[in-house]
Amino acid sequence: GDSVTQMEGPVTLSEEAFLTINCTYTATGYPSLFWYVQYPGEGLQLLLKATKADDKGSNKGFEATYRKETTSFHLEKGSVQVSDSAVYFCALSAGAGNTGKLIFGQGTTLQVKP
Amino acid sequence: EAGVTQFPSHSVIEKGQTVTLRCDPISGHDNLYWYRRVMGKEIKFLLHFVKESKQDESGMPNNRFLAERTGGTYSTLKVQPAELEDSGVYFCASSQGGRGRDPEAFFGQGTRLTVV
Repeated sequence: GDSVTQMEGPVTLSEEAFLTINCTYTATGYPSLFWYVQYPGEGLQLLLKATKADDKGSNKGFEATYRKETTSFHLEKGSVQVSDSAVYFCALSAGAGNTGKLIFGQGTTLQVKP
Repeated sequence: EAGVTQFPSHSVIEKGQTVTLRCDPISGHDNLYWYRRVMGKEIKFLLHFVKESKQDESGMPNNRFLAERTGGTYSTLKVQPAELEDSGVYFCASSQGGRGRDPEAFFGQGTRLTVV
């Protein structure tokens, strides 16, 4: 079945460091890919998405490119801030048709220190 | 506009008791989803409503879980009787219907359920 695998956390970085969180997927068909973020005490928020191969999603300085050849959707940011500390979830859309059902990875906790 | 609201935010119950979680989706959203994250693992899909109908309940773990969405507005998820392995964070999400492929899902803050 469809699945998403994320790199193990927690990831601890100093402010202004470069961030990469790896995400790979297994899916039949052509899913859309997403990154969600959960800040402390809040719900999940959509960070960015890509709906087809080679698309790049971007938001708040974060980027991820849909790579069909490597089945990957790695999240990157050039310079992280303390306020980026959160749990990041990679996800794909699943199911035939437009059901909106999502399959998530296990989440990666990011801690950014001043 | 109010977001997706979940009640309660936390619940601690004893094994064998019953708990009911509630989700109020964004007004006008036909799609409503329940997900669960257990012990820091991946967030898993439980079920999907379109208005008041269950579109997909393939993720429901067993018959101790009952979800309803009467009138196509808010939804409840009842666990009866609760077991220790039911502990986790239960998320609700909603999205608009008829918005093309993969309409954005808006999530609530989640209900943290602890069964002791």
